Amino acid sequence: KAGVTQTPRYLIKTRGQQVTLSCSPISGHRSVSWYQQTPGQGLQFLFEYFSETQRNKGNFPGRFSGRQFSNSRSEMNVSTLELGDSALYLCASSAWGEGTDTQYFGPGTRLTVL
Amino acid sequence: QQQVKQSPQSLIVQKGGISIINCAYENTAFDYFPWYQQFPGKGPALLIAIRPDVSEKKEGRFTISFNKSAKQFSLHIMDSQPGDSATYFCAASDSWGKLQFGAGTQVVVTP
Repeated sequence: KAGVTQTPRYLIKTRGQQVTLSCSPISGHRSVSWYQQTPGQGLQFLFEYFSETQRNKGNFPGRFSGRQFSNSRSEMNVSTLELGDSALYLCASSAWGEGTDTQYFGPGTRLTVL
Repeated sequence: QQQVKQSPQSLIVQKGGISIINCAYENTAFDYFPWYQQFPGKGPALLIAIRPDVSEKKEGRFTISFNKSAKQFSLHIMDSQPGDSATYFCAASDSWGKLQFGAGTQVVVTP
């Protein structure tokens, strides 16, 4: 099976802009989670979607949002970008609900905000 | 606050040596404890995972030791190789699958 794919791999934006990141999970996985990774804060959970519904949410401001489509692909959106949003955004998929908790990560999208 | 505390922050080990990374947690609702390995420019990759009903799990050169009463778990990398040089993250989740990560340990294996 193909792994988790994320597009784009790299993005450069300026403060105030908005950005949309995309994640395609492993075929058959219905759970998609998003994480932010920075040198200072480490890996932090953003939110998780399961069957098009947001099931879990981390402690991030409302500027961070996401959605999941019927084919389990997911997008996350960050509006009004701030310098501190520069990070590696990771998507992970899981066959949660089918007896396994294992989350498989994609390569990430490196977002740089100037 | 950090729900999973990981130490050390970094360690250097000689080829063939043993690398040991420790993690501690507070939330007794956690019931799944994975370890991830991450190379620069890559996403984390699952290395090995354990549930609290087991005290030890071994896969190849990697072993997880789990102490439920102390709420601690550790990763042992036996016969460390230069290719093991990476950042290692412990994590924990409850039944809803939301992973809480430790801060990471950068491991350098010298030839």
